[in-house]
Amino acid sequence: DGGITQSPKYLFRKEGQNVTLSCEQNLNHDAMYWYRQDPGQGLRLIYYSQIVNDFQKGDIAEGYSVSREKKESFPLTVTSAQKNPTAFYLCASSLTVEVTEAFFGQGTRLTVV
Amino acid sequence: AQSVAQPEDQVNVAEGNPLTVKCTYSVSGNPYLFWYVQYPNRGLQFLLKYITGDNLVKGSYGFEAEFNKSQTSFHLKKPSALVSDSALYFCAVRDRVTGRRALTFGSGTRLQVQP
Repeated sequence: DGGITQSPKYLFRKEGQNVTLSCEQNLNHDAMYWYRQDPGQGLRLIYYSQIVNDFQKGDIAEGYSVSREKKESFPLTVTSAQKNPTAFYLCASSLTVEVTEAFFGQGTRLTVV
Repeated sequence: AQSVAQPEDQVNVAEGNPLTVKCTYSVSGNPYLFWYVQYPNRGLQFLLKYITGDNLVKGSYGFEAEFNKSQTSFHLKKPSALVSDSALYFCAVRDRVTGRRALTFGSGTRLQVQP
């Protein structure tokens, strides 16, 4: 089946630890995105990537880092610098950055304990 | 800058009645506009989009939306609501020419359809 796979579905992190969220797509899409969802705030853009080895900051990039070494993969690292990391994280992709209809993964719920 | 406003946190409607979920947008140029739906603890599912052409756009599951340039609105509508339509709905926008190349989402509207 084609699609976007995010793993794990649930993730628990201790304060002060870095953690990496996985996002893989087999849709042959060039563009990939990371959004954060908090109750009542909708989705906020963290980072996006138009092509391999390229990425741009979104509205709330502080405390996060990404890489795009392969077309299929766009992992997000939540660093200890992110002060309030507990949230639902959504990865998405689109064929190109110009074709803006995005397809979403099922999300990862990160909880800091 | 591009932005989206969904003025209603929640919309309640009886099954069988028409529903409307409101969305207004702000962009520098002309917009691409989208509606997505989210069920609990799931990702977003695409419903419909406006790119160009007819102002009335038809999408999945009987939903439609009307683009109104003068009012900068893109309200989501359905003639007859189903209980299964109960979910969280997001409007999104992207400026075609200027601005960043990613969607900006509204804060979401929870639709509750009562049987």
